[in-house]
Amino acid sequence: GAGVSQSPSNKVTEKGKDVELRCDPISGHTALYWYRQSLGQGLEFLIYFQGNSAPDKSGLPSDRFSAERTGGSVSTLTIQRTQQEDSAVYLCASSQLAAIGRDEQYFGPGTRLTVT
Amino acid sequence: DAKTTQPPSMDCAEGRAANLPCNHSTISGNEYVYWYRQIHSQGPQYIIHGLKNNETNEMASLIITEDRKSSTLILPHATLRDTAVYYCIVRPRSGNTGKLIFGQGTTLQVKP
Repeated sequence: GAGVSQSPSNKVTEKGKDVELRCDPISGHTALYWYRQSLGQGLEFLIYFQGNSAPDKSGLPSDRFSAERTGGSVSTLTIQRTQQEDSAVYLCASSQLAAIGRDEQYFGPGTRLTVT
Repeated sequence: DAKTTQPPSMDCAEGRAANLPCNHSTISGNEYVYWYRQIHSQGPQYIIHGLKNNETNEMASLIITEDRKSSTLILPHATLRDTAVYYCIVRPRSGNTGKLIFGQGTTLQVKP
């Protein structure tokens, strides 16, 4: 079946502009995650959605970052007033069962964001 | 949250077993050990997970010590396509989040 898809695959934007990154999770997966990976750095958790529960936003680095998940499926990560330090690969993942410690997360290919 | 320690890099000859160690000495009784890998320019890929018993699937085996303070991921017959960064992760104890906390991982280089 189809995996997690993300769009665009690459995005170049000018400093100060807003960007939207899209994630289509695997159909039926109730949990959705956003991570980012800066050049030469590890993966950093950003935000987590699970069903109708309040999202875990503890990883968002600043109030310029926000995300929403509409209809329990597609998610959009928005970065306002982009800065050069926002340049990174933004990865989305989804999982079917969010019982703690027991779910497998399936990752998309990522969106490479470059802020010039 | 329990943290993990992994060697930064390892080499393995093609066709041989790759044994990747991970220390998680502060793991608590209800925390699982997960392994993911990330091949260059791709998103991470789930490999295997376990609680206290050894586990095996089509990709790998996971050996967890009796005291659960360390584990070893075994790729029984490494191929060049197994070259990747391997992450050992202990799931957070939080009650309502499934986030993964990635460390620096081990870069495994499989050589012909």
